[in-house]
Amino acid sequence: DAGVIQSPRHEVTEMGQEVTLRCKPISGHNSLFWYRQTMMRGLELLIYFNNNVPIDDSGMPEDRFSAKMPNASFSTLKIQPSEPRDSAVYFCASSPGGSFEKLFFGSGTQLSVL
Amino acid sequence: AQSVTQPDIHITVSEGASLELRCNYSYGATPYLFWYVQSPGQGLQLLLKYFSGDTLVQGIKGFEAEFKRSQSSFNLRKPSVHWSDAAEYFCAVIKVGNEKLTFGTGTRLTIIP
Repeated sequence: DAGVIQSPRHEVTEMGQEVTLRCKPISGHNSLFWYRQTMMRGLELLIYFNNNVPIDDSGMPEDRFSAKMPNASFSTLKIQPSEPRDSAVYFCASSPGGSFEKLFFGSGTQLSVL
Repeated sequence: AQSVTQPDIHITVSEGASLELRCNYSYGATPYLFWYVQSPGQGLQLLLKYFSGDTLVQGIKGFEAEFKRSQSSFNLRKPSVHWSDAAEYFCAVIKVGNEKLTFGTGTRLTIIP
């Protein structure tokens, strides 16, 4: 099993540009989670999906952030327009059984907005 | 209010020494409790979890954690650390009735020879 796959590993962009982060969950897992990690705020849940349906997006900081899960094997997190304060590591995680009880994390995308 | 607290930001221990990382929660009812480890440049990996039953939980990599209701604590322990244990450790909780997993701020563990 390849685990949760995120791309890109690193993204450097300029303020105002659109950024798209990608995630492929573990096959058979029906829940997917997007977390953001910063020094100041630690790990924050942005949004999660069960069976491709967004369940709770209350952690999405602003309308500039959007997430989609068009099918069971792919999700995107988009920031448009990006700002320097969006710089962080963004993690995708998946879990079987539709719960938070055992999350499998990807290696993250290190985003730097200049 | 912080629901899960890790009071130690950074801990340094010698290789072979014992380790205890502290975690406290602030819910009235016992939540589900977890410890995750994050190696440099990697995502988080689940070490162990507690839902109910035996208050001493065994995890992977030789780690264990003990739930103490009276102290609202779930401290992580290892009797003898290895250099490969150097990482960031996160305590996390799921509050019963609120299914979301909330992480503490983490404790960075450094191992010295």
